[in-house]
Amino acid sequence: KAGVTQTPRYLIKTRGQQVTLSCSPISGHRSVSWYQQTPGQGLQFLFEYFSETQRNKGNFPGRFSGRQFSNSRSEMNVSTLELGDSALYLCASSFLRADTQYFGPGTRLTVL
Amino acid sequence: AQSVTQPDIHITVSEGASLELRCNYSYGATPYLFWYVQSPGQGLQLLLKYFSGDTLVQGTKGFEAEFKRSQSSFNLRKPSVHWSDAAEYFCAVGANSGYSTLTFGKGTMLLVSP
Repeated sequence: KAGVTQTPRYLIKTRGQQVTLSCSPISGHRSVSWYQQTPGQGLQFLFEYFSETQRNKGNFPGRFSGRQFSNSRSEMNVSTLELGDSALYLCASSFLRADTQYFGPGTRLTVL
Repeated sequence: AQSVTQPDIHITVSEGASLELRCNYSYGATPYLFWYVQSPGQGLQLLLKYFSGDTLVQGTKGFEAEFKRSQSSFNLRKPSVHWSDAAEYFCAVGANSGYSTLTFGKGTMLLVSP
């Protein structure tokens, strides 16, 4: 079974731009969660989607948003990028909600 | 709120020596507990998990962890470390019902010396 895939793997943007990251979960998995990883803050939960609905959201500003499609694929969007948004964004999928999460390779976002 | 503490930021172990990485958690009920490993530039790979039952769990790559409720700990062990084990290790706690948010520790970087 293929693992979690994330595209693109690397992105370079400038302040004020917006960006969309994509995540394809493991086949059959219905829950997708997003995490931000930075050297200073570590791994922080962004949001979780299950059955196309956001079920839980972390403590991030409204510039961070996401959605999930009927095939469980998910996208996250960051608008009005700031330098501090530079991070590794990790997507994880699980079969059920309270279940083992399997992570993708991440998207490395650099904001200049 | 749930939290995870990994008290060691860096650990250096000689190849062939035993390893123990510490993890303490705070959670109101019996948690789900996980250890993940991350190599540079990579995502997180699951090593092992504890949901319930036997408190000593076996994982991949020869790792094991023991859940000790009285100490709120879930330490990761390996009897003999290989150079390829050098990576960053993350302990995480999750809710055992309802939602799948994971709370991670800050990670422990394992260095393996020859």
